[in-house]
Amino acid sequence: DAGITQSPRHKVTETGTPVTLRCHQTENHRYMYWYRQDPGHGLRLIHYSYGVKDTDKGEVSDGYSVSRSKTEDFLLTLESATSSQTSVYFCAISSGTIGANVLTFGAGSRLTVL
Amino acid sequence: SQQGEEDPQALSIQEGENATMNCSYKTSINNLQWYRQNSGRGLVHLILIRSNEREKHSGRLRVTLDTSKKSSSLLITASRAADTASYFCATDVLSGNTPLVFGKGTRLSVIA
Repeated sequence: DAGITQSPRHKVTETGTPVTLRCHQTENHRYMYWYRQDPGHGLRLIHYSYGVKDTDKGEVSDGYSVSRSKTEDFLLTLESATSSQTSVYFCAISSGTIGANVLTFGAGSRLTVL
Repeated sequence: SQQGEEDPQALSIQEGENATMNCSYKTSINNLQWYRQNSGRGLVHLILIRSNEREKHSGRLRVTLDTSKKSSSLLITASRAADTASYFCATDVLSGNTPLVFGKGTRLSVIA
């Protein structure tokens, strides 16, 4: 997981509270992604960023927002957490090499919404 | 919706045996990648095969790609207990930097 860190690694929160997960990279990569991983669903893309202040929605973006004010940081916010957002969240980065978009993943953030 | 689907969902073998996992996908791709995930960890990239390649090797890994059948296979030869992990295929469906789409994974258990 060198070059990419996620925080917090574990969080327990209550329904209706806002939650922010942080992804920090030291690789100066242009692309950053947030995925969630759930049993039976594999990894599903929530949002991604292709540059500072440039973001786009993924497959499961409802209930989530993101911000990228600096190259190195990509924040994922759950505006009002629900139990269905209990999951493991992974951040990933890539340099964006054309035709070889290889991802480097963080260690994950386990979120439990009670 | 998932682009890639791995088969089988779970596989259990003895140490020293070969393990084969398959991935099927739906649309044309630029390349296909395989990742490994150890329990409680993030995914790690293993190998990338481009759409104009049919086979690729990396150490004990062998990947094949059949674009006519929209399928790929990952072969791990002489499996070790340390190969126990989940394996995911990911497809790059367009040229450029469209986000990768992951399958649901194959859980491999290698018994010593």
